[in-house]
Amino acid sequence: DGGITQSPKYLFRKEGQNVTLSCEQNLNHDAMYWYRQDPGQGLRLIYYSQIVNDFQKGDIAEGYSVSREKKESFPLTVTSAQKNPTAFYLCASSPGLANEQFFGPGTRLTVL
Amino acid sequence: GENVEQHPSTLSVQEGDSAVIKCTYSDSASNYFPWYKQELGKRPQLIIDIRSNVGEKKDQRIAVTLNKTAKHFSLHITETQPEDSAVYFCAADTGFQKLVFGTGTRLLVSP
Repeated sequence: DGGITQSPKYLFRKEGQNVTLSCEQNLNHDAMYWYRQDPGQGLRLIYYSQIVNDFQKGDIAEGYSVSREKKESFPLTVTSAQKNPTAFYLCASSPGLANEQFFGPGTRLTVL
Repeated sequence: GENVEQHPSTLSVQEGDSAVIKCTYSDSASNYFPWYKQELGKRPQLIIDIRSNVGEKKDQRIAVTLNKTAKHFSLHITETQPEDSAVYFCAADTGFQKLVFGTGTRLLVSP
């Protein structure tokens, strides 16, 4: 479980502010992912990256941005353009195609 | 693209009973099917997975079956215990290092 970490655990944001969620892994995994989970809902893919310096949009990328400058790190920025950002955000990593995804502990973002 | 449907959305059983959760998928090219358990406020954790070259896989009280022809797979939990209470998600790979998740099943095991 300690192989993939997210910070902070809780984050509060005022409307109109951008915030960045951290995700770090020491599992030497090539692929990393960001999901959003709303109460009582499933996991929806925001962005994913298969390799350093490359990433693709998922199903709900609008209002979010990412970077992948290092293999270990895949930060997610929630911009002011995201209309309803209050949610539980999960980061995951995977060694590659058709393999288990390992999840971080999550960040709960609340917009005040 | 891949679409995964999961049923039921909620499932209540008595301790010691069996529980079955079913998923269907749309993309016949999918070949990896994991199941995750998520306790309240925690991260999803893999409990069992199956690949398309296998029809059934067991791990103690948990088993998964796969029917590639019908494009459905199921999670079976026997001798349920209160600590099995959680939300369970099925998923299918898309062939692009992505998983598509079902909407989840909330399992409640009553003592």
